[in-house]
Parts: sequence; C-alpha cells; structure tokens
Amino acid sequence: SAVISQKPSRDICQRGTSLTIQCQVDSQVTMMFWYRQQPGQSLTLIATANQGSEATYESGFVIDKFPISRPNLTFSTLTVSNMSPEDSSIYLCSVEEGREGEKLFFGSGTQLSVL
Amino acid sequence: SQQGEEDPQALSIQEGENATMNCSYKTSINNLQWYRQNSGRGLVHLILIRSNEREKHSGRLRVTLDTSKKSSSLLITASRAADTASYFCATASNRDDKIIFGKGTRLHILP
Repeated sequence: SAVISQKPSRDICQRGTSLTIQCQVDSQVTMMFWYRQQPGQSLTLIATANQGSEATYESGFVIDKFPISRPNLTFSTLTVSNMSPEDSSIYLCSVEEGREGEKLFFGSGTQLSVL
Repeated sequence: SQQGEEDPQALSIQEGENATMNCSYKTSINNLQWYRQNSGRGLVHLILIRSNEREKHSGRLRVTLDTSKKSSSLLITASRAADTASYFCATASNRDDKIIFGKGTRLHILP
C-alpha cells in the first residue's frame, strides 16, 4: 500500500492568512484527493487533483479559496486561503489503490485551527 | 453530499463483547467500505464488500451487505481497547469514481 506523508501535522493560524498543506506519496498515482473533516463530522471531498490539469472541485468549494497544485505524480499541495475560524478542520489527502483503484489510503491529516 | 448514515452515532461496550455498527445508503453502489479513524487522524481502510457480495470476513471483522435494503453492518468480535476509534462506512457509486463517507460511529471499548 502507498505511504503518504502529509505536513504540517497541525498548525494554528491567524484569520486572513493562508496555509499550504503538502502531500507526498511514495509511488506514482493518477489521482489524489483532498478531504475536509470539520470537528465531530464526517469527511467531505474538496477536490480531485489530477496531474497535468486543473483540479476538479466539488460543489461548495472553489479554486480561489482552495487552490491546489499537482506538479507531478507523487506530490500535491492544498492551500487554504484567507482563513477564517470556520476553516478550522482536519484536512486529509488520499490516493486510490486496490484491484480497481477503489480503496482510499490516507495521509495522517493536518489539524488546522484558525483564531 | 453524504451518502451513508451510520448508527448508532456512539457506542460503548465492555472489552471482550461484540460491537455492531450499521450503515444505510441511498443510491446504487459498486462497493461499500469501512474505515477506522483514531483520534481524528488519517483513516485506515478495513474492509471492502462488493455489490454482488453478501458477507465478508477479515480477522475479527465481519461485514454484511443487503443491497435490497441499502444497508450494511460491521461486526467486531471480541473487542479490545485498541478498537476504540471512529468507524465510517463509505460508498462508491456506479455512476462516478467518488467515494462518499457516512457520519461515522464513535466506538469506545471499556476496560
């Protein structure tokens, strides 16, 4: 299974600033996924990061707020821009594996608190 | 949008007892998966059951799937303190590649 390194593991940020989260995979993968998990809630898919093309965002998420980079097949970044306390969440990157690419493997997550 | 709804939302049992969690979903699926999350960190894939399967085992885990009722259950037998975690079901629809997570069950194993 893929090994995913995500950093930072946690951060406390001021309102109005931006934070970039990095996700490194130890093997080449076609798609990488970014999820948000608000306190006490389930995971919500933010976007799918495709190498060589723009990320595909889910309803309710926009590129200006959550710009994503995918420079190669092993790396992606998610930026949380112009943060507010409502952005306080765990952010998780994941990749697909399995016989038909149907299982998700996750990084350890980034716990973000916005003051 | 969320697909799966787990119940109960929270469950506390004595160590050694069996824990059962249920998941209901709304649309047609290719497969249903269960994940575990410890202390709000990354999720760990536990088991996958395909739409043409009815039951699957992996160690102390037993998963059932009833596509007519659009429901699944996860049974953890002989629970241990290390099983304390949140458990999420997730469905992969047969319309797109997205995996959608349910709200989760918080399981607490009492010593």
